[in-house]
Amino acid sequence: DAMVIQNPRYQVTQFGKPVTLSCSQTLNHNVMYWYQQKSSQAPKLLFHYYDKDFNNEADTPDNFQSRRPNTSFCFLDIRSPGLGDAAMYLCATSRTGVDANEKLFFGSGTQLSVL
Amino acid sequence: AQTVTQSQPEMSVQEAETVTLSCTYDTSESDYYLFWYKQPPSRQMILVIRQEAYKQQNATENRFSVNFQKAAKSFSLKISDSQLGDAAMYFCAFSRSNDYKLSFGAGTTVTVRA
Repeated sequence: DAMVIQNPRYQVTQFGKPVTLSCSQTLNHNVMYWYQQKSSQAPKLLFHYYDKDFNNEADTPDNFQSRRPNTSFCFLDIRSPGLGDAAMYLCATSRTGVDANEKLFFGSGTQLSVL
Repeated sequence: AQTVTQSQPEMSVQEAETVTLSCTYDTSESDYYLFWYKQPPSRQMILVIRQEAYKQQNATENRFSVNFQKAAKSFSLKISDSQLGDAAMYFCAFSRSNDYKLSFGAGTTVTVRA
């Protein structure tokens, strides 16, 4: 039973054409995260929501936005994708923050291609 | 800022043998957590094992164990009795206490030979 679901699995967009990636969870977790993982590199945190509180990483480009309309859903909007934004985007959740008793639950990712 | 270094891009192991993946990290924090995540071809990150920095005892989960050397800031993963299903990319990750952010290393691709 998938608990963190990302759609679509593969997304192709055109250079400069806005694209939205979606993530949903059945865990009722408070925290949702978006990570960017480029080929053969470490996942990099873009931002996270604790409930409705949005937290942006300092080096996340302005081109990336996020929305969390309710507990279950979180969206990643890329306003004007460039070739350098081609990557896998991972959504994750946790009940609270990362600590000894909590772990992150990851989705299977959306592979974004920019043509 | 915390950095996590995995110096082995690839490792190969014979089925049923043991392989050890290395990880070092840099932090000024005294309280933190360390993790190993597995990312198989299905791409879903799965937690393998975690270690609290305040615990001296090394964590163990079935065939997976760690060697945590706090003074050396080293956190290696040992996979014993390797199985074909262990083939994946393995990421070492760090989190400060009560933080929301996982900092990942660059990953080590493990290949298991039948």
